[in-house]
Amino acid sequence: QVQLVQSGAEVKKPGASVKVSCKASGYTFTSYDINWVRQATGQGLEWMGWMNPNSGNTGYAQKFQGRVTMTRNTSISTAYMELSSLRSEDTAVYYCARGVRIAAAGTATTYYYYMDVWGKGTTVTVSS
Amino acid sequence: DIQMTQSPSSLSASVGDRVTITCRASQGISNYLAWYQQKPGKVPKLLIYAASTLQSGVPSRFSGSGSGTDFTLTISSLQPEDVATYYCQKYNSAPPGRVTFGPGTKVDIK
Repeated sequence: QVQLVQSGAEVKKPGASVKVSCKASGYTFTSYDINWVRQATGQGLEWMGWMNPNSGNTGYAQKFQGRVTMTRNTSISTAYMELSSLRSEDTAVYYCARGVRIAAAGTATTYYYYMDVWGKGTTVTVSS
Repeated sequence: DIQMTQSPSSLSASVGDRVTITCRASQGISNYLAWYQQKPGKVPKLLIYAASTLQSGVPSRFSGSGSGTDFTLTISSLQPEDVATYYCQKYNSAPPGRVTFGPGTKVDIK
């Protein structure tokens, strides 16, 4: 079955970096984007960015530009999200999610985009 | 940047009630909208994409409608297992392509 399996919980000190992995199985890894979405306790969903595993192209939320890096290793169908300069406000559950991109009829530049498969989440705690 | 709002922020309804949640975009986004359900302590789940297309396996009591700036998610007959927070999500196709989630609507049983 299609699934995304994420790495385990992390505890980091302020100023450090964290790298979370997301291993895909059950589908062709390079055929769909991988998105990263985080959620602080009691808060809503916050999109961080996407990566195209085929090309390596990425798109990041402006809030995380310069602090987030999304990469992949296609040989093991795994995506990575690294967040640097951690602060307490980065304490959250981090989800990877498969992104489906469908071109709207009659256009080559406008897309439907949604996330149909989600990992179980990785808890990242930033504390001194 | 296009902002997404949802109303109400929370609601309580009885089992069997018809429940409607609204998502509004600050500018027209055609029908480039998806809806997700997140049950307490669980992973988000895709319900609807392209504003009205039901994801495979989602019960038919869920439906979506709207285009432009105003969208609705309707639960035709609320069930206990529908207790969750519901999020709308839009995608801006202009490079590099950015996703925005609405703030969420929490649904409880009265």
